[in-house]
Parts: sequence; structure tokens; C-alpha cells
Amino acid sequence: DGGITQSPKYLFRKEGQNVTLSCEQNLNHDAMYWYRQDPGQGLRLIYYSQIVNDFQKGDIAEGYSVSREKKESFPLTVTSAQKNPTAFYLCASAYLGLAGTGELFFGEGSRLTVL
Amino acid sequence: QKEVEQNSGPLSVPEGAIASLNCTYSDRGSQSFFWYRQYSGKSPELIMSIYSNGDKEDGRFTAQLNKASQYVSLLIRDSQPSDSATYLCAVNIRNPSGGYNKLIFGAGTRLAVHP
Repeated sequence: DGGITQSPKYLFRKEGQNVTLSCEQNLNHDAMYWYRQDPGQGLRLIYYSQIVNDFQKGDIAEGYSVSREKKESFPLTVTSAQKNPTAFYLCASAYLGLAGTGELFFGEGSRLTVL
Repeated sequence: QKEVEQNSGPLSVPEGAIASLNCTYSDRGSQSFFWYRQYSGKSPELIMSIYSNGDKEDGRFTAQLNKASQYVSLLIRDSQPSDSATYLCAVNIRNPSGGYNKLIFGAGTRLAVHP
């Protein structure tokens, strides 16, 4: 089935550790996005990519890193420099149209807790 | 000024009533607009997309766009308890430093439909 797969679904980490969240899509979408959501709040953009080997910082990129070596994959690393990493992380993908990014399709999310 | 603004609610409506959700955005050049529904602990799911001024209807949902006023709304007719969720407005915003557009979400409006 086509879709977006995020893993792991739940992740616990000790302070000072880097963790990498996986995001894979088989929808042949050009664009991929990472958002962060804190309890009771909306989605904040971390990084996005619209072609392979290129990506742009979003509004809250500090303490995060990404790569886009393949069209299907857009992993997110939460580094030890991220001061408050406990959150719900959402990966999404979309076609690119004339009006810009089209409709986003989301994975099920990864919930990161720092102990 | 936030790029995309929504009233956080909660908006409480009785079953069978019309729920009206509103969203304003800052980038006058935005061309694509989306409404997502998010149940607690789940990822967002797309309800409507709209690209042109006017109304777009899909079942019980109607999206309304007014680019001159930089305003987009979502009407839910015959509201049901199962519609109780957070509704997120998303707008394609031009990247001020050049490069690709980015999809920015509002903080969301929580809707509660009571029997």
C-alpha cells in the first residue's frame, strides 16, 4: 500500500543523546516535511525538502538536522543541542504543483520523550 | 504578526448545528489553502483544499476563500459528535529569502459538538 511510514512510533532518550527519526514514502512525492507538535499547539515547521540533496530550514530548525539522499527518505536527527526535544514529530510528503506545495499526506508520527 | 492565525477555541456547538471555523494569513501572494482535522494523539488528515476565491463544497464541509481579505474559513453543516476534533488551517507561504514555498499551519481550533 502507498503511504508514509515513520519509525519508531515511540522513543525514549536520555539527555545529551542524539536520536534519528525515520520517514519513508512510496507515493513518489517530490516534497517532504518535518513538523513538531507540542501538547495543545499547532504544527511548527522544522525542515523541508523539495528535491533530492536539497533542503530548507523551517521556523524551528535549531538543534535538528536532516538529509535527503533519496527521494523516498527524509530522516530527522534530533541532536543534543535541541533544548526541549520532547514532542510529537510528524513527517509529511506532497506533490509539487504550480501553486506550490500540494496536499500534505502525513505519517502516523513519532512521539519522543526525553528522560 | 503570525503567518497563519486561528482562534484556539474551544468552539462548542450543539449536534445538528453549523460550525464555523476561521483562519487569516499574512502572505498576500499565497495561492493554496488547506483544512486538516486532527483527533487527539493522531496525525492530521486532509478535509478540504481550496485555491480560488469563493466557496468549495464537499459533503457537509464548505471551504470559503477571500484572497483580498486574506481569509479562509471552513463550515461544517449538521455537526456530529464525531466532528469533535482540532481543525488546522494550512497556507502555502512564500519563502522571504527565496527558494521554495513552505506550508505553514495555524495553531488550530478545537471544536466540541455536544449531543
